Amino acid sequence: NAGVMQNPRHLVRRRGQEARLRCSPMKGHSHVYWYRQLPEEGLKFMVYLQKENIIDESGMPKERFSAEFPKEGPSILRIQQVVRGDSAAYFCASSPEREGLLNIQYFGAGTRLSVL
Amino acid sequence: AQKVTQAQTEISVVEKEDVTLDCVYETRDTTYYLFWYKQPPSGELVFLIRRNSFDEQNEISGRYSWNFQKSTSSFNFTITASQVVDSAVYFCALRGQLGDNDMRFGAGTRLTVKP
Repeated sequence: NAGVMQNPRHLVRRRGQEARLRCSPMKGHSHVYWYRQLPEEGLKFMVYLQKENIIDESGMPKERFSAEFPKEGPSILRIQQVVRGDSAAYFCASSPEREGLLNIQYFGAGTRLSVL
Repeated sequence: AQKVTQAQTEISVVEKEDVTLDCVYETRDTTYYLFWYKQPPSGELVFLIRRNSFDEQNEISGRYSWNFQKSTSSFNFTITASQVVDSAVYFCALRGQLGDNDMRFGAGTRLTVKP
């Protein structure tokens, strides 16, 4: 059973470009979460999605950031017009649908975004 | 408000020493979950343990043990006979009742185990 897959592992963008980060949840998981980890800091929640729905985006910056989890395919975190402050590690986590296990989030290896 | 505090930013020990990583949390929820994750140098986050607020029984898994004390709002993690491979950043996290999607992480404790 493959774990949570994130790609790319490393992404370099120049200021003003767009960054697309992909996350394929574990098999059988329909809940996806995105977190951001700034250097030397803990993880900060960004957004929680279920298939085709954004459930909670309270941690997402209001501008330039968007997320989706389509019916088919991976979840995508998109950052438009990146700035240097967006440089961070972005982690995706997934959890299964079954209620008893809802609270265990399994994390991917992260995508490290560097903005030049 | 929910908050997790890991007061130890960095800890350095010599192999075979025991080490305890502290975690103190704040929450108004009566039902909540506590977690520990390990982030080795390779960067991924590895799930170690989940504890719910109704289960204060301490847990041991090999060289790892966890001490959950509601009275002091602490969920400390002890590694016995540490090894170099234990070197990593360890995160404590808190999640509230079902439906609370915001899992709060502490800032992490960087553990270095020297040979």
